[in-house]
Amino acid sequence: EAQVTQNPRYLITVTGKKLTVTCSQNMNHEYMSWYRQDPGLGLRQIYYSMNVEVTDKGDVPEGYKVSRKEKRNFPLILESPSPNQTSLYFCASRLKGGGTEAFFGQGTRLTVV
Amino acid sequence: QQPVQSPQAVILREGEDAVINCSSSKALYSVHWYRQKHGEAPVFLMILLKGGEQKGHEKISASFNEKKQQSSLYLTASQLSYSGTYFCGTDYSNSGYALNFGKGTSLLVTP
Repeated sequence: EAQVTQNPRYLITVTGKKLTVTCSQNMNHEYMSWYRQDPGLGLRQIYYSMNVEVTDKGDVPEGYKVSRKEKRNFPLILESPSPNQTSLYFCASRLKGGGTEAFFGQGTRLTVV
Repeated sequence: QQPVQSPQAVILREGEDAVINCSSSKALYSVHWYRQKHGEAPVFLMILLKGGEQKGHEKISASFNEKKQQSSLYLTASQLSYSGTYFCGTDYSNSGYALNFGKGTSLLVTP
């Protein structure tokens, strides 16, 4: 089954404790991206990747890191999480090109206390 | 650069129609529409490519006015299952990369 898999689905952590949210897709998509969703603000891009070893900042990259060592995986790293990073996070992937559908993971609800 | 959606929220009775608009300050290559139920992942509805294309999906259709850099989503004879938040996503070129999404339009269909 074609899918984007995120883990974990839910995470509660403390300020400053490094964490990684994993994202994996099985559709051989070139493009992958991370979004955060906050009430009233919609889906905002954090980082995106055009292919292996090629990443770029989105609209809200501060406090996040990503890496793309393999085509299928695109982890999101919070090296020192803060409460303002409490949010719902989505990973998405799509084929190369401007008219291709994005496939979303199930989401990760992160709470930083 | 987020596209601008309007209205922010709509409440309908079952069977009524609604229009959701999406506009951009930059020239668009394509417009995507997604629907999200609370706490779930956005689900793809349709893509419109530049050229003034219009598409339909059952009783949900959309138009894309390339000159005005706008798209509209039309929900006809709404059903309870149409409730959710609708997002438009935009591509500014055919190279794509990551979609830019609007803030969403919350739609509630009541019996």
